[in-house]
Amino acid sequence: IAGITQAPTSQILAAGRRMTLRCTQDMRHNAMYWYRQDLGLGLRLIHYSNTAGTTGKGEVPDGYSVSRANTDDFPLTLASAVPSQTSVYFCASSLTTMTEAFFGQGTRLTVV
Amino acid sequence: DAKTTQPNSMESNEEEPVHLPCNHSTISGTDYIHWYRQLPSQGPEYVIHGLTSNVNNRMASLAIAEDRKSSTLILHRATLRDAAVYYCILRDPVGLTFGKGTHLIIQP
Repeated sequence: IAGITQAPTSQILAAGRRMTLRCTQDMRHNAMYWYRQDLGLGLRLIHYSNTAGTTGKGEVPDGYSVSRANTDDFPLTLASAVPSQTSVYFCASSLTTMTEAFFGQGTRLTVV
Repeated sequence: DAKTTQPNSMESNEEEPVHLPCNHSTISGTDYIHWYRQLPSQGPEYVIHGLTSNVNNRMASLAIAEDRKSSTLILHRATLRDAAVYYCILRDPVGLTFGKGTHLIIQP
């Protein structure tokens, strides 16, 4: 059982470059989320999707975009990376918007 | 948004019970109380959740006050592997709003 998979595990990216973080779940969960975690700031919600075809903005959406073309995939795109986007990114999913969430192992992104 | 308050850190001895408190005085009648934990270098992991009644699962127990303004996560017999940051969260449809959590330290 794979659960929720993120790729890549880590990445060093030059500032100004475009990058897509991948997230796939095989649990047929309706809702998916992207968080970033920074030291001292905890986990903050970037974008969410309550069901395939819909997305919404979280607490810190600027500089990021998402799409939800199908149930399984929820990619996060940085159109033009900046050093302040250096962080650990976690994708999560839940069956509904009110049930428990399952998290991936994270992507460590360094923008230089 | 409803918020929760937790102690920054707690310390316990291995093989002893641990009671992690959480205050949520602004909770609404439909808010579920969720607990997650995050081990070092890992993503958050679901522990337990409840609405009004106390709940038990293989990982922990959740005791919810009668007025629902507070709850307590109970680890019945802590091990070194339980050392983590524990988050108490009021679930809402947008997502999980994480606070700073309680850093649980387990002494051997």
